[in-house]
Amino acid sequence: EDQVTQSPEALRLQEGESSSLNCSYTVSGLRGLFWYRQDPGKGPEFLFTLYSAGEEKEKERLKATLTKKESFLHITAPKPEDSATYLCAVQANSNDYKLSFGAGTTVTVRA
Amino acid sequence: KAGVTQTPRYLIKTRGQQVTLSCSPISGHRSVSWYQQTPGQGLQFLFEYFSETQRNKGNFPGRFSGRQFSNSRSEMNVSTLELGDSALYLCASSLVKGTYGYTFGSGTRLTVV
Repeated sequence: EDQVTQSPEALRLQEGESSSLNCSYTVSGLRGLFWYRQDPGKGPEFLFTLYSAGEEKEKERLKATLTKKESFLHITAPKPEDSATYLCAVQANSNDYKLSFGAGTTVTVRA
Repeated sequence: KAGVTQTPRYLIKTRGQQVTLSCSPISGHRSVSWYQQTPGQGLQFLFEYFSETQRNKGNFPGRFSGRQFSNSRSEMNVSTLELGDSALYLCASSLVKGTYGYTFGSGTRLTVV
């Protein structure tokens, strides 16, 4: 069974203080690893998809990287509006297209 | 471009009742999946539909069911509601079987009392 573990559970940052979130995964053949952002009371918002080890993607202050066992989401010089729960999910390379999610990392950025 | 629309946004039901939730995917998207989100279990996969066929089902009891219509709109039904069914139910749509990830709706918050 696919397993996704995110750490830390919560992260409190000062505005401008860069940090990284970790997503460790176990899957029988990775089709894709997804990062989502979720604000309270809303559905997850798509950020990135990574398909193979060594791949990197960037969007504003966020950068996602992928290895064969884990992915990192780097937040550079965060702002208060970056406060959210960041979810990692994997999709196995099979006929099953479901996403298996981690529990998420809740990031709070203080001004 | 309209996103994934879920109705209703909030719902309060009594134990033993049944409920139907609706999801309209992004225009052109043919794959629809449903997820349950709770504080304790996080996001858990319920089922996925593609071209009106259920392609996969998660580990939920038979009280949870769904269907997809020819216009790709989807509904999920929960019968004989239990207190533990209280959750945020999220619908997600994708262009082709979720290969490139899913776009989620804002969800339906179901409270069972």
